Amino acid sequence: GEDVEQSLFLSVREGDSSVINCTYTDSSSTYLYWYKQEPGAGLQLLTYIFSNMDMKQDQRLTVLLNKKDKHLSLRIADTQTGDSAIYFCAEKITGTASKLTFGTGTRLQVTL
Amino acid sequence: GAVVSQHPSRVICKSGTSVKIECRSLDFQATTMFWYRQFPKKSLMLMATSNEGSKATYEQGVEKDKFLINHASLTLSTLTVTSAHPEDSSFYICSALLLAGGPISSYEQYFGPGTRLTVT
Repeated sequence: GEDVEQSLFLSVREGDSSVINCTYTDSSSTYLYWYKQEPGAGLQLLTYIFSNMDMKQDQRLTVLLNKKDKHLSLRIADTQTGDSAIYFCAEKITGTASKLTFGTGTRLQVTL
Repeated sequence: GAVVSQHPSRVICKSGTSVKIECRSLDFQATTMFWYRQFPKKSLMLMATSNEGSKATYEQGVEKDKFLINHASLTLSTLTVTSAHPEDSSFYICSALLLAGGPISSYEQYFGPGTRLTVT
């Protein structure tokens, strides 16, 4: 199957860290992605991780991948109000012509 | 680089009419583009894969006669919603495939800003 699940909502205070989680079921994924969607807008690629990696850090963003548990997480350090958005994880499956399967999306709310 | 535009950004049409949405890759050529549909507070659902110079490949459950896709050039794909009904109201997002460089080269999708369709 290609189900990708995320929790619906996360609220954090400005300056705290946010951790958004994602679980997937297809073990043949090659790349896993995190996208950000602001209201009424398209998707912005934040970062991605190759399936043979455990961790990737890019400035305030840290991606952790646990292949055994099929669990992906995105940590945003020093969360800002501008980080408020919906975050989608997505996986690319081997042999599917670069198709992506998206998670259900997590709405991140950053409060003052 | 890798900018994808969509036109229009928002459209309201009457039931029974047809609406065309354009997806353009502005600074690169894309032989493959994807069309997604997003319901309110829901994830993106892949509708079809648009291939330049050939027929689109539709996902299961998507009516190809209802959602006409034309990929006439390497920078333009169009989605036409024919005989639109209120249930077709949605946010439609396209993406274009580009070979990305770097230590691990792969084809990556770059997304347009989306088109909000409202059918009255």
